[in-house]
Formats: sequence, structure tokens, C-alpha cells
Amino acid sequence: GDSVTQMEGPVTLSEEAFLTINCTYTATGYPSLFWYVQYPGEGLQLLLKATKADDKGSNKGFEATYRKETTSFHLEKGSVQVSDSVVYFCALPDSWGKLQFGAGTQVVVTP
Amino acid sequence: DAGVIQSPRHEVTEMGQEVTLRCKPISGHDYLFWYRQTMMRGLELLIYFNNNVPIDDSGMPEDRFSAKMPNASFSTLKIQPSEPRDSAVYFCASSSYGTAKTDEQFFGPGTRLTVL
Repeated sequence: GDSVTQMEGPVTLSEEAFLTINCTYTATGYPSLFWYVQYPGEGLQLLLKATKADDKGSNKGFEATYRKETTSFHLEKGSVQVSDSVVYFCALPDSWGKLQFGAGTQVVVTP
Repeated sequence: DAGVIQSPRHEVTEMGQEVTLRCKPISGHDYLFWYRQTMMRGLELLIYFNNNVPIDDSGMPEDRFSAKMPNASFSTLKIQPSEPRDSAVYFCASSSYGTAKTDEQFFGPGTRLTVL
């Protein structure tokens, strides 16, 4: 069945460093792909999405490119801030509208 | 729009008691999802509804858990009797995949349940 695999955390890095969180997927067809974030004590919020192959989703300095040749949707940010210290989830929907989430990656950015 | 509304935000109860969690989805959304999140198991889908009808309840852990959606604007998740291992954060989410084909899910703030 459809699934996503993302790198385990925590990922610890210094402020202004480059962030990459790997996400690969297995799917029938070419579904949309999502990155969600979860702030402490809150529900998940959509960070960005891409709806078809080669699309690039972007928001708040984060980017991810939908690459069907490598079945990947890696999340990147060129210069992280302490406020980016949250948990990130990769996800894809199945044909029934149900989202398959990755296990989540906690990012810790130190000043 | 007020977003997905959940109540209560926090619930502390004793083992054996009945617990009812409530959710109001975003108006116009035709899908509603219940999730449970714990440190050990991460985010788990419990059940989801389409147009108020349960579609897949395979994630419901056992018969002590039940969910209903009597109308398009309200859903409940009930645990009876509750056990300490049910302690978790329960999220409700909604989407309009079936109509607008926007398959993004919108999450509520969650209910933190503690069973003593």
C-alpha cells in the first residue's frame, strides 16, 4: 500500500545552518505530497504541498520538490532559525482521501 | 472560519470512567478523521467518516472505543471504560477531498486525555 518514510530525528543544528529532511514514498499513481508541522501543544498544520511531479512547494523559506524518478519529497531550508524547532511530518493521500503520515522528524535549532 | 473545534482541550479521568471527546469540523468539509498521538506509537488514524458515514474504523484499538457522526457539523469519540493506556492526545481533522478535491487535512488543537 501507499506509504512514506522519513528520516528519524532529532535533527540538531545551529541557527543559520542548512536543513534537509528526507522523505521517500511508495504510491500507486502520482498523488499530492505534503509536509506538515506540529508546534508544541497544537495540531498539525500544512507547511507546503506539491500536487504533481516536478512541482516545487514552498512556504516560509521551506521548499520541497516532488521527484517521481527518485520517489522523494525532501524538505529543505537554507537558513534555519530557532523558531523552526518543531516536528515535521511528510504525508501523502490515498485514493480514499486518507493521509499516510511519516513518523515525524523533530528538529532542534540552537542559537 | 473558526477552523476545527475540539472539546475539551484537556481531560483527566479515572480508570473505568466513560470519556467523550467532541469535534466540530470546518463547515462544508465532507471528510472527518480521528487520530491518536503518543510518544510510543506516533500519530495513528483511528477512524474516518465521509458524508457522516464511517468508512474505515480499522484503527480503532478495541471495542471500548466508538465514534459517531450524527450530522455534518458534529462528531464524538467515546471510550468506555477508559484505561491508563488510553492516555494520549486525540486529534480531529477535516477535509473536502470528496468535493473540492483539496486533499489537505485541517487539524483541531487536540484533546489531551489523561487516565489515572
